[in-house]
Amino acid sequence: DTEVTQTPKHLVMGMTNKKSLKCEQHMGHRAMYWYKQKAKKPPELMFVYSYEKLSINESVPSRFSPECPNSSLLNLHLHALQPEDSALYLCASSQAGEGANYGYTFGSGTRLTVV
Amino acid sequence: GDSVTQMEGPVTLSEEAFLTINCTYTATGYPSLFWYVQYPGEGLQLLLKATKADDKGSNKGFEATYRKETTSFHLEKGSVQVSDSAVYFCALLHRGNQFYFGTGTSLTVIP
Repeated sequence: DTEVTQTPKHLVMGMTNKKSLKCEQHMGHRAMYWYKQKAKKPPELMFVYSYEKLSINESVPSRFSPECPNSSLLNLHLHALQPEDSALYLCASSQAGEGANYGYTFGSGTRLTVV
Repeated sequence: GDSVTQMEGPVTLSEEAFLTINCTYTATGYPSLFWYVQYPGEGLQLLLKATKADDKGSNKGFEATYRKETTSFHLEKGSVQVSDSAVYFCALLHRGNQFYFGTGTSLTVIP
């Protein structure tokens, strides 16, 4: 299995809703990432997990809450989002540490619309 | 700090034309370099990579050579197809920390 699977593919939520994005990989990668991508822009790093521990938080607002319950699974919990949070949310995984230099595998993303 | 500068788009080519998308980088040491492709409505797919100077990455007719002397990693393809229409991102990865992406170049190939 050489894929990163993200669900759902599309999500529409109200500003008072709570929802979660899910990301799964079975490549044995021990680093996992959340990126946010606005239209016609490059992806922007949000969070990095290494060996199931949060190692980087790029000053992301607390309405985004990541969770890594095990080495194969990464969640992003969403609460009280704003319309400007509408974007494509990409998950990625890689070998941890220097092994990440061989590249990341990205999922196909969840397209989030906040209304 | 580390950064990637990528050719501005959009680029429009006729089918079978030659493609070059320029990419230069700034980094201390020896980063790994990548080209990712993003088709409409999809995530990023790794197109090719090079992990050390003078390495040539290639895939699906695309090529790029890691040139340390010019700090460049230009993407080329000899004959583009309509199916190559997508956004192309150059990126570097240093010490396994995080990607630095270029701004992306949108390519449209017309029949």
